[in-house]
Amino acid sequence: EIVLTQSPGTLSLSPGERATLSCRASQSVDSNYLTWYQQKPGQAPRLLIYGASSRATGIPDRFSGSGSGTDFTLTISRLEPEDFAVYYCQDYGTLITFGQGTRLEIK
Amino acid sequence: QVQLQESGPGLVKPSQTLSLTCTVSGGSINSGGYYWSWIRQHPGEGLEWIGYIFYSGSTYYNPSLKSRVTISIDTSKNQFSLKLNSLTAADTAVYYCARLSYFDTNGSFDSWGQGTLVTVSS
Repeated sequence: EIVLTQSPGTLSLSPGERATLSCRASQSVDSNYLTWYQQKPGQAPRLLIYGASSRATGIPDRFSGSGSGTDFTLTISRLEPEDFAVYYCQDYGTLITFGQGTRLEIK
Repeated sequence: QVQLQESGPGLVKPSQTLSLTCTVSGGSINSGGYYWSWIRQHPGEGLEWIGYIFYSGSTYYNPSLKSRVTISIDTSKNQFSLKLNSLTAADTAVYYCARLSYFDTNGSFDSWGQGTLVTVSS
């Protein structure tokens, strides 16, 4: 079973700053099946990035994804107030696994 | 745009069986390339995939829950359902139904229900 470990657990930044979130897999994963979600309090997760680097429909271009093998990154180039939320990575394989999440909070 | 909506009891007693239904609108549940899924989130925690079903009825479950889970589909009603038996307080969570798109978004959950809180308590 693949384990996805996200870091940091909490990231404190200010609007306008750049955010870099990490997702590390316990073994190599197919980057075609690495996904990122955003979740705000009381809401369902929202698909942001699929295939490690493809933005979902309607996602602003300040969100970008990269990586391969065991190391993946979600970057938010310039934080807007609405970007402060929890972010999850997910792998689709024999099983579906989620990382434990990174909380992005306002500094 | 497809929409999903969970329905079912918000409170269930320990040892009983949870039954939830997800109604899909704005698209056919018969469409190939999609897996109709259940995911849960314990209070204040992360996401846990429970399992999914294809329109043909093929199912795939999380091994950690497999012995207690049944997912079924009713294409005539455009619905799919979750049954989870032998409930304990550890099953208290928000339960989401979601669509996993295999071809469009490479195994991602691209549509979600709003979620329903299920509390297991006597």
